[in-house]
Amino acid sequence: DTEVTQTPKHLVMGMTNKKSLKCEQHMGHRAMYWYKQKAKKPPELMFVYSYEKLSINESVPSRFSPECPNSSLLNLHLHALQPEDSALYLCASSHSGTREHIQYFGAGTRLSVL
Amino acid sequence: GENVEQHPSTLSVQEGDSAVIKCTYSDSASNYFPWYKQELGKRPQLIIDIRSNVGEKKDQRIAVTLNKTAKHFSLHITETQPEDSAVYFCAASEETSYDKVIFGPGTSLSVIP
Repeated sequence: DTEVTQTPKHLVMGMTNKKSLKCEQHMGHRAMYWYKQKAKKPPELMFVYSYEKLSINESVPSRFSPECPNSSLLNLHLHALQPEDSALYLCASSHSGTREHIQYFGAGTRLSVL
Repeated sequence: GENVEQHPSTLSVQEGDSAVIKCTYSDSASNYFPWYKQELGKRPQLIIDIRSNVGEKKDQRIAVTLNKTAKHFSLHITETQPEDSAVYFCAASEETSYDKVIFGPGTSLSVIP
């Protein structure tokens, strides 16, 4: 099973709302990632969790709050977002700390902030 | 930090022709170079990767070459088919952090039937 599952597929939220994105994998991967992707641009790294600990935060605004409850789950909590945060949010997973670090991506959550 | 450049940004070829996409990277410590394909509305998927101890790698119609001295690597697709139409991203991984992959800006490939 090389599947990374993201929910929801689409999300529309107002600037005062609080919502969460969810990501799940059952490949035994110990590294999980959040990326933001704007149209016609590459994925832009936001956060990396390695062994359930936050190892990389690419200076992301605090209105994005990641959480890794266990080795299979990754959440991204959203609060007080801005219209420019509208994008495709991709989750990925890989083995961590080894040379076998192919990243497997989920299908993404398309977020619109009104 | 690492910076990856990619050319061309768009590429249009006739079906059956070859396509070449070139990338350069800045950090000489990078030693892992994956290529991802992203079809419209789909997730990025790894199509081939190469490590710095190898100069070339092939997988059917796809090949990647790496020149560590010049810090550039290229993707070659032969006998292109319409289903090859997609955006292709090259990437480089910093040796100090295998978990961090830096993507190039992407090449939009169109294969004309």
